[in-house]
Amino acid sequence: DAGVTQSPTHLIKTRGQQVTLRCSPKSGHDTVSWYQQALGQGPQFIFQYYEEEERQRGNFPDRFSGHQFPNYSSELNVNALLLGDSALYLCASSLVWGSTTSLTDYGYTFGSGTRLTVV
Amino acid sequence: AQTVTQSQPEMSVQEAETVTLSCTYDTSESDYYLFWYKQPPSRQMILVIRQEAYKQQNATENRFSVNFQKAAKSFSLKISDSQLGDAAMYFCAYRRRSNTGKLIFGQGTTLQVKP
Repeated sequence: DAGVTQSPTHLIKTRGQQVTLRCSPKSGHDTVSWYQQALGQGPQFIFQYYEEEERQRGNFPDRFSGHQFPNYSSELNVNALLLGDSALYLCASSLVWGSTTSLTDYGYTFGSGTRLTVV
Repeated sequence: AQTVTQSQPEMSVQEAETVTLSCTYDTSESDYYLFWYKQPPSRQMILVIRQEAYKQQNATENRFSVNFQKAAKSFSLKISDSQLGDAAMYFCAYRRRSNTGKLIFGQGTTLQVKP
């Protein structure tokens, strides 16, 4: 059972550079959400994509942008990197019209994240 | 705006004992979901248990159960018969009852299980 796959696992970038993170959702899921998790903190919602459009956005600047492809995979792009962008970036997939009766099938499936370090 | 608060940064429990993790939230909505997620060192968020706000009965999943107090906006997680594999960071999360609702997480509680 293919869960959520994120790449790369780790990444080191220099301030001012641009980065692209990738996410393949769980098989059968059509919605992808991105979260930023600073060290020792809870994840913060960045944005969500469904039907190749951004549906919701959290309190993140325009330097953070995304894309969803026809196969439901997604990319997160961050421009002009700042030291404060260093974090674990989590991708979560879900099914908009999915089952709500099974705990294991319900809700969001998370990937293991990409650890981004900005130096 | 909705908020989720976990006031216990760290907790510890002896193996086979019971531990309760606390969570409070704030929302003006009446229909929503609450979740507990576990994040081990592998970093992947694992759904432990969920509660629908419209249900009065507390959810249970094997050794995990919740105490959902809607009026008090409290949602605690009880882990019975704690095992070494339960050691992880635990996050309480809130979501509106919407098919594309975002998750709002608390700050997390690190649970240590002592052998």
